[in-house]
Amino acid sequence: DTGVSQNPRHKITKRGQNVTFRCDPISEHNRLYWYRQTLGQGPEFLTYFQNEAQLEKSRLLSDRFSAERPKGSFSTLEIQRTEQGDSAMYLCASSPRDSSYNSPLHFGNGTRLTVT
Amino acid sequence: AQKVTQAQTEISVVEKEDVTLDCVYETRDTTYYLFWYKQPPSGELVFLIRRNSFDEQNEISGRYSWNFQKSTSSFNFTITASQVVDSAVYFCALRSAGFQKLVFGTGTRLLVSP
Repeated sequence: DTGVSQNPRHKITKRGQNVTFRCDPISEHNRLYWYRQTLGQGPEFLTYFQNEAQLEKSRLLSDRFSAERPKGSFSTLEIQRTEQGDSAMYLCASSPRDSSYNSPLHFGNGTRLTVT
Repeated sequence: AQKVTQAQTEISVVEKEDVTLDCVYETRDTTYYLFWYKQPPSGELVFLIRRNSFDEQNEISGRYSWNFQKSTSSFNFTITASQVVDSAVYFCALRSAGFQKLVFGTGTRLLVSP
């Protein structure tokens, strides 16, 4: 169990540029989640995958945001035409196959995005 | 709608003091799950405890204890004899059965000084 891995740890970009983050969940975890955390706030749910299927999306996930998990393993989160309001910590989490609703999520260290 | 309120933004204590972090939740669902997570400066959210809505037993784990009261919709967390390593942001979170979304409170920053 090597934990949830996220890359890069930090990303600084200029407004209008596209960015992509990667998340590698704990191996054999088939459930994967993306959250966004702004300064002084708790994490907010963005989207959920079960294997390669994206089953839930938050209204926070505007059309500039897209998440994929093509082979049911790692996932990418892309933000197009970044805005200053996108500056936040993007957290990825995973949970095991057949986990129930009371199962905790295992979080990564996050990717901190700064849009200048 | 689901909501988690952590009214304490920041708490400062001196080492060895006891400290209680408050959490109040709102949900219309009858089956739900409550969690506490710790977020140290490194950023990773670390799971501490979970409680099911139908299990109101309080729990103690070492220096940590949790008090779940359904009547007041509260799930408070107490650290006994706090240590400097306890300094972190603590989040309370709620999840309803049938939903993958975990709803977090705004967190309480705990500062434990030597």
